[in-house]
Amino acid sequence: ETGVTQSPTHLIKTRGQQVTLRCSSQSGHNTVSWYQQALGQGPQFIFQYYREEENGRGNFPPRFSGLQFPNYSSELNVNALELDDSALYLCASSSGTGGWADTQYFGPGTRLTVL
Amino acid sequence: GQQVMQIPQYQHVQEGEDFTTYCNSSTTLSNIQWYKQRPGGHPVFLIQLVKSGEVKKQKRLTFQFGEAKKNSSLHITATQTTDVGTYFCAGRGSARQLTFGSGTQLTVLP
Repeated sequence: ETGVTQSPTHLIKTRGQQVTLRCSSQSGHNTVSWYQQALGQGPQFIFQYYREEENGRGNFPPRFSGLQFPNYSSELNVNALELDDSALYLCASSSGTGGWADTQYFGPGTRLTVL
Repeated sequence: GQQVMQIPQYQHVQEGEDFTTYCNSSTTLSNIQWYKQRPGGHPVFLIQLVKSGEVKKQKRLTFQFGEAKKNSSLHITATQTTDVGTYFCAGRGSARQLTFGSGTQLTVLP
């Protein structure tokens, strides 16, 4: 077990709705990264938060947004859901200076289905 | 942008046979990581390679990083049923974020 938790485990939404996913990082970790993993694909980097600031972003539209809180837990928000947003959403926590640590520990993920 | 390609996509082996998956990046990497994801699970970090030509071993697993730091491989000797899962490489380039390959799904037949 990595100590990284995510909620909810599963979620079903309809197109156009908004969703918030949550991640609690491993104790002592100051960085959280979010990934989207479509079925049969590798995880794709969405963005990363280091000490409550976004310090890296992948090729995702602005309707994907996030927050990191003082306790280093994090949220991923997705607005105006589309069918293609159906995927496993993974968060990964790590520790290090500058936010780009070598080792990331993944949580179990949230399975989002958009109908 | 940076692309990481991984082959093969699927591999079926008899228990006891060897297995290799290959990873190629479109750009030079600062490091490369390998992960294993069991069916229904999440990626679990296996190892990181940093140096050109580096070779690391973990029991039956051998990891290599190419001299040009653009390719890598994972070799499993004498596969066991516990090796079943999808193996991903993930490269870190100048953009610092990890770019994952599409994975190789390994099935081990008893």
